[in-house]
Amino acid sequence: EADIYQTPRYLVIGTGKKITLECSQTMGHDKMYWYQQDPGMELHLIHYSYGVNSTEKGDLSSESTVSRIRTEHFPLTLESARPSHTSQYLCASTRGGPSYEQYFGPGTRLTVT
Amino acid sequence: QKEVEQNSGPLSVPEGAIASLNCTYSDRGSQSFFWYRQYSGKSPELIMFIYSNGDKEDGRFTAQLNKASQYVSLLIRDSQPSDSATYLCAVRIPGGYNKLIFGAGTRLAVHP
Repeated sequence: EADIYQTPRYLVIGTGKKITLECSQTMGHDKMYWYQQDPGMELHLIHYSYGVNSTEKGDLSSESTVSRIRTEHFPLTLESARPSHTSQYLCASTRGGPSYEQYFGPGTRLTVT
Repeated sequence: QKEVEQNSGPLSVPEGAIASLNCTYSDRGSQSFFWYRQYSGKSPELIMFIYSNGDKEDGRFTAQLNKASQYVSLLIRDSQPSDSATYLCAVRIPGGYNKLIFGAGTRLAVHP
């Protein structure tokens, strides 16, 4: 079982606000990921990190940014929220080989009004 | 062609029956294969993973992998109403950051 946490679980915010979604894991996993998922749709990778000070953009273009200053912490920031950012954001991590299974946090459901 | 394909369903089975969920993938270099269960409004929960050809069993769940046919399946024996959820197939493709590609999921409905 994974110990990976996300806060807040739900967020309703107005257009133009800056928001930070928090993700933390206590397993010492080097690799962490952010996915975006709309209701009934596929997960899309938006950011990933190999380790401290390593971040890359994923497959789905996103206006969000991430940072990885500590191994356990991988926050995602939106500088100016828009209604098109309304979605569920899922954080995941993996310990690595041999199978690289990823464990997910509970998610943050973001609504931008 | 999508990289990971699943029938969207819904797949409806009676309680106690075997549910069979299927997934095909396009990248022959894919290395690990995962099944996640996702309840509505919740995050995906890892059920099983497999990386060698053949069957892998864990309780009521069996994952089957056929790399030659690029096919992976999940069998759920003695299906229960609590198994009703969307099942996501994911494939780890070659590359430096161990990226998972997810299918769109198959919705399973187990009726009493």
